Amino acid sequence: NAGVTQTPKFRILKIGQSMTLQCTQDMNHNYMYWYRQDPGMGLKLIYYSVGAGITDKGEVPNGYNVSRSTTEDFPLRLELAAPSQTSVYFCASSPTVRGQYFGPGTRLTVT
Amino acid sequence: DQQVKQNSPSLSVQEGRISILNCDYTNSMFDYFLWYKKYPAEGPTFLISISSIKDKNEDGRFTVFLNKSAKHLSLHIVPSQPGDSAVYFCAATFLSSNYKLTFGKGTLLTVNP
Repeated sequence: NAGVTQTPKFRILKIGQSMTLQCTQDMNHNYMYWYRQDPGMGLKLIYYSVGAGITDKGEVPNGYNVSRSTTEDFPLRLELAAPSQTSVYFCASSPTVRGQYFGPGTRLTVT
Repeated sequence: DQQVKQNSPSLSVQEGRISILNCDYTNSMFDYFLWYKKYPAEGPTFLISISSIKDKNEDGRFTVFLNKSAKHLSLHIVPSQPGDSAVYFCAATFLSSNYKLTFGKGTLLTVNP
């Protein structure tokens, strides 16, 4: 099993550009999450999904969108990138509350 | 409003000694608590967890203690090893939240040889 994979690893965006961060898991987990981690801060939940076709907002959803058309994939879309979205983004999946499995992260810089 | 607080940004201990990482929470609805370990340029990895119906959970060198009345939990690592050097995040959740985790800011543990 590859676990949770994220692409790209790094990306630099100009203000106003859009991009999609990809996340795929091969563990057949129903629950999937997107977090962002700013320097010196904990992880903050952006969006989450409890299964294919079901998504909901987390703590910091503004400026982002998600979709979950399959169990495996949970892409995060950034529209009109802003400098405040410079962060490290982590995708995670979970079968239950007993430990979420995290991907390696995507480091995004918006200039 | 931080619901999960890790008030020590860093901790330094000698190899072989005990490391104690602390975490406080404010939301009484939290009923499940987790510790994650994170190395630079990697995603967090699950370490150990505890349900609110317990006050202690042990897994090898790692033990988590929960004091519900004080809304406080701690992670003990005995003995500490240099490979334990990482950022440790405390996280909390409750069942009806769809397992959404609320994280603390993390504590950087450095274990010196």
